[in-house]
Amino acid sequence: GDSVTQMEGPVTLSEEAFLTINCTYTATGYPSLFWYVQYPGEGLQLLLKATKADDKGSNKGFEATYRKETTSFHLEKGSVQVSDSAVYFCALSETSGSRLTFGEGTQLTVNP
Amino acid sequence: SQTIHQWPATLVQPVGSPLSLECTVEGTSNPNLYWYRQAAGRGLQLLFYSVGIGQISSEVPQNLSASRPQDRQFILSSKKLLLSDSGFYLCAWAGGLSNQPQHFGDGTRLSIL
Repeated sequence: GDSVTQMEGPVTLSEEAFLTINCTYTATGYPSLFWYVQYPGEGLQLLLKATKADDKGSNKGFEATYRKETTSFHLEKGSVQVSDSAVYFCALSETSGSRLTFGEGTQLTVNP
Repeated sequence: SQTIHQWPATLVQPVGSPLSLECTVEGTSNPNLYWYRQAAGRGLQLLFYSVGIGQISSEVPQNLSASRPQDRQFILSSKKLLLSDSGFYLCAWAGGLSNQPQHFGDGTRLSIL
């Protein structure tokens, strides 16, 4: 079945550092890919998405490119802020319906 | 715009007591609805999903159940809670088309004593 593998955390960075959180997937069809963010004590918020190969999703300075050849969807940000501290989840959708398969999440802590 | 509401935000229950968590969606029709559980420091586990009124699919056999009495209402229940039911419960909705993102509520923190 479909699966998502995320870079293990926790990740600790200093403010203004470059961020990469790796995400790779396995899927039988042509899924859409998503990144969600969860701030402490809250639900998940959709951060960005990409629906087909070579699409780039972007939001709030974060970017991720759908790479079919490497089955990857790595999350990047050029300069992180303390307010970016959260858990980040990579997810894919099945090609039929809207069920999501989530990775295990990566805890990011940004220090001032 | 669409909104999703979950309540209560936090709940403390004794072992063996019943449970009812409610989730409602506004601003959309015929949504797909989902219940997840998130244990501390872990990922999300899909518990139930529903594509329509009265249609419930269970992902994990356990002492929890779900019901969808109305189009935009999704209820998570238990007749007798276990210690292992503690966790953060999240409700989500999505459009009925393929490859749609899910949108999450703020969650319910459930502690079993």
